Amino acid sequence: QQQVKQSPQSLIVQKGGISIINCAYENTAFDYFPWYQQFPGKGPALLIAIRPDVSEKKEGRFTISFNKSAKQFSLHIMDSQPGDSATYFCAALWDGAGSYQLTFGKGTKLSVIP
Amino acid sequence: ETGVTQSPTHLIKTRGQQVTLRCSSQSGHNTVSWYQQALGQGPQFIFQYYREEENGRGNFPPRFSGLQFPNYSSELNVNALELDDSALYLCASSLVENYGYTFGSGTRLTVV
Repeated sequence: QQQVKQSPQSLIVQKGGISIINCAYENTAFDYFPWYQQFPGKGPALLIAIRPDVSEKKEGRFTISFNKSAKQFSLHIMDSQPGDSATYFCAALWDGAGSYQLTFGKGTKLSVIP
Repeated sequence: ETGVTQSPTHLIKTRGQQVTLRCSSQSGHNTVSWYQQALGQGPQFIFQYYREEENGRGNFPPRFSGLQFPNYSSELNVNALELDDSALYLCASSLVENYGYTFGSGTRLTVV
């Protein structure tokens, strides 16, 4: 299956708090798992990405945790700021038939309140 | 280093018409992919072009077609527009050697 399931659909977090977004996948052929941030009127921008041979990756306030056996991965945003308010998409890349296809989750709308 | 630029930014078309959307790749990128993003949804893969040939396609009918030019820019053509084609169309460029996609800001297509 090519689906990536993302939750929650929306999230409200206080400034300084931790935002957590979860994703699950079925296709074990996926071999690259990026997270994208999208502001209204803009295209998705790559935030952070991980490969399945790594269990955790941290870049600044953003951390991906990856559980290969459970086929789940999550994004943690530490010290969340109002400027982080955006829609976040998890994705999985399938390198099949000579092309690189991203399958996206349905997105999580994050609102960080002061 | 320029990013991915798309034109036009907004477009209104009538059902049954044809539309062409354009994309200029990020400098140095040799692969272009197109995605459709319906309101409130994640982007869906339409197809990918490398060396001016389509090398992968998602679950979209043949009335969605594309071109890649020698300078790696690209066009997305949609024939016989339907109301459900209303969406944000995103172009993404990358290097075939790695997975680093760069997305443009998209073209908002409204079919009435």
